[in-house]
Amino acid sequence: DAGVTQSPTHLIKTRGQQVTLRCSPKSGHDTVSWYQQALGQGPQFIFQYYEEEERQRGNFPDRFSGHQFPNYSSELNVNALLLGDSALYLCASSIRTSGGKSSYEQYFGPGTRLTVT
Amino acid sequence: AQTVTQSQPEMSVQEAETVTLSCTYDTSESDYYLFWYKQPPSRQMILVIRQEAYKQQNATENRFSVNFQKAAKSFSLKISDSQLGDAAMYFCAYRTYGSSNTGKLIFGQGTTLQVKP
Repeated sequence: DAGVTQSPTHLIKTRGQQVTLRCSPKSGHDTVSWYQQALGQGPQFIFQYYEEEERQRGNFPDRFSGHQFPNYSSELNVNALLLGDSALYLCASSIRTSGGKSSYEQYFGPGTRLTVT
Repeated sequence: AQTVTQSQPEMSVQEAETVTLSCTYDTSESDYYLFWYKQPPSRQMILVIRQEAYKQQNATENRFSVNFQKAAKSFSLKISDSQLGDAAMYFCAYRTYGSSNTGKLIFGQGTTLQVKP
């Protein structure tokens, strides 16, 4: 049973460019959350997708957008990259229990290290 | 808004000894989850232990246990018989429990644990 996978592992971009990061959730999971983790800091919630819709969003600008596909995989897009966007981007998957509540356990992928120069 | 604070940026422990990592949080909610995650140099975030706020009994997972003090809003992690493989960054995290919950995790700043042989 494959866990959460993310691609690519590392990425180097230039200021002003656009980037797309990808995530495949753990088998059986239908909810994907994205987090940004700056060096030496705790992860910060970007947004969460369920049923192909953004369900909740953290304090991130509109330059950050996402998408969820029918197979539950997800993409994170960042436009007009800034130096401050350099970070580890983590994807986490979970499954919604009946009643619309999310399960308490989120499984994280290994992350994508984005460097903006 | 909920916040999570870890006041110990770094801790060290001798192999086979016991160490306690501290975490405090702030919330006006009565029902929620608390977690400790471990992030080794491989970057994969791994769930160590979880605690439901409505449970008075402290959670235990093998060598890991928590001291959950709801009134004081304190949630510490005790690692017994420390092993070299315990060396990692540890994050305390909070999650809302209610029906509107979407699984957003709020993380502390992390504590780097060094285990000395």
